[in-house]
Amino acid sequence: QSALTQPASVSGSPGQSITISCTGTNNDVGGYNHVSWYQQNPGKAPKLMIYEVSNRPSGVSNRFSGSKSGNTASLTISGLQAEDEADYYCNSYTTSSTWVFGGGTKLTVL
Amino acid sequence: EVQLVESGGGLVQPGGSLRLSCAAYGFTFTSYSMNWVRQAPGKGLEWVSYINSAVSAIYYADSVKGRFTISRDNAKSSLYLQMNSLRDEDTAVYYCVRDYEYACDIWGQGTMVTVSS
Repeated sequence: QSALTQPASVSGSPGQSITISCTGTNNDVGGYNHVSWYQQNPGKAPKLMIYEVSNRPSGVSNRFSGSKSGNTASLTISGLQAEDEADYYCNSYTTSSTWVFGGGTKLTVL
Repeated sequence: EVQLVESGGGLVQPGGSLRLSCAAYGFTFTSYSMNWVRQAPGKGLEWVSYINSAVSAIYYADSVKGRFTISRDNAKSSLYLQMNSLRDEDTAVYYCVRDYEYACDIWGQGTMVTVSS
């Protein structure tokens, strides 16, 4: 159950687009479309932003989008805003009937 | 309002036990599978355990297998996590989480578990 690989940090200026990658294996990201993304602000519980690779829950801005290619999933945030500054985590279901998170990415809005 | 409220966290010595509870409000508890997810201080998220609505499927992370037991009482709309043989590395905020389409759509506020002598 090794953690999925995410960059430790990414940054962007307001209005720009950024992409956070999440790399796994054929046993998790590459094997299923059960990839989700979470936003976590300091001291708060995580919030679901994307599920099933590219689906947005009700109430989540359409500036957030998800995709997957092979063993790598991606979260893209367009029109970056100051309020997007947070930690982001990816998650995938695995062939062991378990779930695995990525190590997390700190997004800084410059 | 859809809500999950955890309780039962606290300070416990290594080797000790603790039972976490999670009360569900505002949705039909029996229709959903549930998870526990934890986060050590300053660290990332770690999935801990899963239980489906019928209690016919239960899974654990390798790090807690054999020490933790997940259960639920559908009549009380409650989820539990019995934690035995606790170790320093189990220190974390424990979140009760609702499963939706293999994702975690509703999170509780978390309850802190500190394992220390």
